[in-house]
Amino acid sequence: GEDVEQSLFLSVREGDSSVINCTYTDSSSTYLYWYKQEPGAGLQLLTYIFSNMDMKQDQRLTVLLNKKDKHLSLRIADTQTGDSAIYFCAEIGNEKLTFGTGTRLTIIP
Amino acid sequence: KAGVTQTPRYLIKTRGQQVTLSCSPISGHRSVSWYQQTPGQGLQFLFEYFSETQRNKGNFPGRFSGRQFSNSRSEMNVSTLELGDSALYLCASSFSGPGVLTFGAGSRLTVL
Repeated sequence: GEDVEQSLFLSVREGDSSVINCTYTDSSSTYLYWYKQEPGAGLQLLTYIFSNMDMKQDQRLTVLLNKKDKHLSLRIADTQTGDSAIYFCAEIGNEKLTFGTGTRLTIIP
Repeated sequence: KAGVTQTPRYLIKTRGQQVTLSCSPISGHRSVSWYQQTPGQGLQFLFEYFSETQRNKGNFPGRFSGRQFSNSRSEMNVSTLELGDSALYLCASSFSGPGVLTFGAGSRLTVL
């Protein structure tokens, strides 16, 4: 199967770090992606990581990849109200992008 | 640089009707993908077009079809609409392939 799994909800206090987790299925995926969807909008690419990397940092975003466990995570440092959105991880398999179920991130003031 | 434009943004149809959705990709992007987003099923891949050819297809019935024109604009069509076709239909374009996608805002279809 091609089920990419994520927790549905995450609540974080403003200023804290958010960690969004994802378990993917296709061990042959060359790239793994994180997309963000704000209300009423399409998806926006946040970052991606090549499968031979363990970590990638991009400003407040840190992506960790554990290939052995097929586990991907996205850490958002100093979470702000503007980070409220649904976050999707995605993998390439059979030349198409398969998205996870999405994690709704809520920021607590 | 203009983004991905989808029209119409909202539409309401009744069961049995058909609908055509349009997508204008970013200038220079030759790949256009379509996704269906629903609360129950999440994001499901419909199909991808590249240089007017369907390059990949998801697991949807034949009622769902698409095409791409020489200017890379794409349309998708759903015939004999069912209640379960109510969804946000998202179009995304990329220069070459399915990974780094730029999405439009979507067309929200309601079937009554």
